[in-house]
Amino acid sequence: DARVTQTPRHKVTEMGQEVTMRCQPILGHNTVFWYRQTMMQGLELLAYFRNRAPLDDSGMPKDRFSAEMPDATLATLKIQPSEPRDSAVYFCASGLVLRQGLTDTQYFGPGTRLTVL
Amino acid sequence: AQSVTQLDSQVPVFEEAPVELRCNYSSSVSVYLFWYVQYPNQGLQLLLKYLSGSTLVKGINGFEAEFNKSQTSFHLRKPSVHISDTAEYFCAVSERTGRRALTFGSGTRLQVQP
Repeated sequence: DARVTQTPRHKVTEMGQEVTMRCQPILGHNTVFWYRQTMMQGLELLAYFRNRAPLDDSGMPKDRFSAEMPDATLATLKIQPSEPRDSAVYFCASGLVLRQGLTDTQYFGPGTRLTVL
Repeated sequence: AQSVTQLDSQVPVFEEAPVELRCNYSSSVSVYLFWYVQYPNQGLQLLLKYLSGSTLVKGINGFEAEFNKSQTSFHLRKPSVHISDTAEYFCAVSERTGRRALTFGSGTRLQVQP
C-alpha cells in the first residue's frame, strides 16, 4: 500500500532554531505539495513542485521558509529561523498529473506537528 | 482564484441518522471538486472526487456528493452515520488546468452521538 511518509512526526524546538521537515512522495508521482494547517488559517498551500521544479511558492514567507526537492524521492521544507507563529501541522501531499486538463488525487502524509517555543 | 465555503463549522447528529455537509465554491475557471476526511491526529484521506461525468459521485464509507453547477455546490451526504464517522470533513477545489493545488474550505466537524 503506497503512502506518503513524513519525518519527523512531532518536533518541539525553540525560537530561532532551524527546522527541517522531510517528505517521501509516492513512487511515480510527479507533483508534490506542502500545506500548513492551523486553527486560525485552516489548510493553506505553502509550495508545490512538478517534476522536482518549483511551480508555486507564493504561500511561503520567503525570508525564513525554503522548499526543495533534491531528488524525486525526497522533498524538504526548512524554516530558519523558526518563530512561535510557525507552530502548526505541516502536510506533504503527492499526486500524478497525467496531462493537461486531467489530474489525479492528492495523497496526504500523516503530517509533522511543529511546536516552536 | 478560487474560494470554498463550508457553511457549518459543526454538525451534531445521532447515530444512524442521515447527514448533509454543505459546500459552496467560487471560481473564475473550471474546477475539480473533492471531499477529504481527517480523523484526529491523522492526515487527510480522500472520500470522493468529481472530475467529470455524472454529477452524483459515490465515495468510500457510504458517502456520496452531488455537484450542482448552477448553484456552485458540492454537498456531501450519508444516509446513515456511524460513531466512527466522527471526524473533520474538508471540501476542496483545484483548477482543471494550470495551478493544481487544492483550495480548502474551513472544515466541518461531524459529531456522531449514540
